[in-house]
Amino acid sequence: EAGVTQFPSHSVIEKGQTVTLRCDPISGHDNLYWYRRVMGKEIKFLLHFVKESKQDESGMPNNRFLAERTGGTYSTLKVQPAELEDSGVYFCASSQTMTGYSYEQYFGPGTRLTVT
Amino acid sequence: GDSVTQMEGPVTLSEEAFLTINCTYTATGYPSLFWYVQYPGEGLQLLLKATKADDKGSNKGFEATYRKETTSFHLEKGSVQVSDSAVYFCALGRGGNKLTFGTGTQLKVEL
Repeated sequence: EAGVTQFPSHSVIEKGQTVTLRCDPISGHDNLYWYRRVMGKEIKFLLHFVKESKQDESGMPNNRFLAERTGGTYSTLKVQPAELEDSGVYFCASSQTMTGYSYEQYFGPGTRLTVT
Repeated sequence: GDSVTQMEGPVTLSEEAFLTINCTYTATGYPSLFWYVQYPGEGLQLLLKATKADDKGSNKGFEATYRKETTSFHLEKGSVQVSDSAVYFCALGRGGNKLTFGTGTQLKVEL
């Protein structure tokens, strides 16, 4: 079974440009999460989809970030326009609908975004 | 809100040395606790977890015990190998919701 995949693995763009990151979750996983790690700091939550609906977007930094999940399958995260402070590694994770308190989020390899 | 504090790295050890990476948390209620590991060039992998107080998670020779009285979840391994070199993240979570991570601790194991 394929794991969580992310594309591209690395993106270098100039300030003011637009970048779109893509995440394909594990097949059958209703939950999809985006996280970001900036400059060696902690990994911070951005948002959580349940199927195609945004369950929690409390971590989205500002309105330059737009996340979508078409048909409850893959997700895209668009940054427009990009700023220098957006540089970091963007992780996607997915999980099954949980029961009880036991669950696991499976992470992708991340997209390293560099804004110059 | 929830927060996780873990010891800063990098940590450099000789092979077969004992490893401890400290992790403490601040949270209300009874979150689940996790250790994730990121090997060079790879994504995050769940290393171990504990879902309630006094639970011990273990995997690949690593262990961590959920201590509610000290709000800690320290990671230990009795004898590290070069292949354990990676970045280790402590995290807490509730249900199927977001994970709250620490800053990560880089471990380098030398021969």
